[in-house]
Amino acid sequence: DAGVIQSPRHEVTEMGQEVTLRCKPISGHNSLFWYRQTMMRGLELLIYFNNNVPIDDSGMPEDRFSAKMPNASFSTLKIQPSEPRDSAVYFCASSFTGTTSTYEQYFGPGTRLTVT
Amino acid sequence: GENVEQHPSTLSVQEGDSAVIKCTYSDSASNYFPWYKQELGKGPQLIIDIRSNVGEKKDQRIAVTLNKTAKHFSLHITETQPEDSAVYFCAASETSYDKVIFGPGTSLSVIP
Repeated sequence: DAGVIQSPRHEVTEMGQEVTLRCKPISGHNSLFWYRQTMMRGLELLIYFNNNVPIDDSGMPEDRFSAKMPNASFSTLKIQPSEPRDSAVYFCASSFTGTTSTYEQYFGPGTRLTVT
Repeated sequence: GENVEQHPSTLSVQEGDSAVIKCTYSDSASNYFPWYKQELGKGPQLIIDIRSNVGEKKDQRIAVTLNKTAKHFSLHITETQPEDSAVYFCAASETSYDKVIFGPGTSLSVIP
């Protein structure tokens, strides 16, 4: 298996532009997570999907951020409009959630976003 | 909600020595405690985990201990090697779903 795939790996954009980050989870996994990592705030959970349904989006910073999961093999995180403070590394992770147990989350390589 | 604290934030040890990282959590209902290692430029990777029905778990040079009464758990790395240098994150899972809350991380440097 190729693991969790994220694209692009690096994104540089100007303030005010729309940014779309993409993620392909591991086949067979039914949970997908979007995280943001910065030096100041560490690793923050933004949103979590289970069976393509958003379960918890309490970590989404504000309305400029939105995430979708149209099917089991694809998810997007969109920032519109982007701001310099959105600069961070964004990780996607996937796992298999059973009825009673929690399983390992597999992280993608991340997208390094720079907003100038 | 769950809050995870982690100490120390940085740790430097000589090659061959042991390293210990300690974490506390706030939600007594948490029952899953993974540890992740993040190397430079990569995503975090699970190295070991422990569930609340176990007090200790070991995998070669790595061991984790859990004290549910005190709500703290620790990572022990013995016979450290330069390739152990990385950032280590502890985490705790809320029971509603498998949402995992991460600690702030410990940057471990193993000096050859």
